[in-house]
Amino acid sequence: DGGITQSPKYLFRKEGQNVTLSCEQNLNHDAMYWYRQDPGQGLRLIYYSQIVNDFQKGDIAEGYSVSREKKESFPLTVTSAQKNPTAFYLCASRPWTGAQETQYFGPGTRLLVL
Amino acid sequence: ELKVEQNPLFLSMQEGKNYTIYCNYSTTSDRLYWYRQDPGKSLESLFVLLSNGAVKQEGRLMASLDTKARLSTLHITAAVHDLSATYFCAVDKASGGGADGLTFGKGTHLIIQP
Repeated sequence: DGGITQSPKYLFRKEGQNVTLSCEQNLNHDAMYWYRQDPGQGLRLIYYSQIVNDFQKGDIAEGYSVSREKKESFPLTVTSAQKNPTAFYLCASRPWTGAQETQYFGPGTRLLVL
Repeated sequence: ELKVEQNPLFLSMQEGKNYTIYCNYSTTSDRLYWYRQDPGKSLESLFVLLSNGAVKQEGRLMASLDTKARLSTLHITAAVHDLSATYFCAVDKASGGGADGLTFGKGTHLIIQP
């Protein structure tokens, strides 16, 4: 089955610690995205990547970093510079052309600060 | 700055009733997306509206797009409890689509009571 997988489902971060969220897709999509959702809020774009080895900052990139070494994978690192990381993180992908195509979302990772 | 506004943000309604959720946006985009989110879950795509006057229906849900008014509506007919969820509308950040990501509204939390 084609789809997007995210791991872990829950992640706990200690103060000053960097943590990495995994996102893998087997849909052969070129574009991948990371969004953050806070309780009662819509999604906000963190980073996105249109092709391998290239990525762009979204609306709230501070305190986060990404890499895109393979088409299938787009991991997100939440660094210690992100002072309020508690949120639900959603990875998405989309065919390059975007025409007549929505974004497809993974199941999400819930990040909590200890 | 692109803005997407939904109203109402919270809606409690009885089964069997009809109601409409509104989505206003500030860009000249000609495409709009509707998603559903169940509590603790990821986003599920409902509709992709690609042009002015587009109308799509799935079961008791019908979505429409008026690009001149920069308005989309999601109409619920004869609501049933299973439609209880949070509904989001979203617009492409880049005009004409593309792979730059989406801007989301804050969501409409819909509760349908027997």
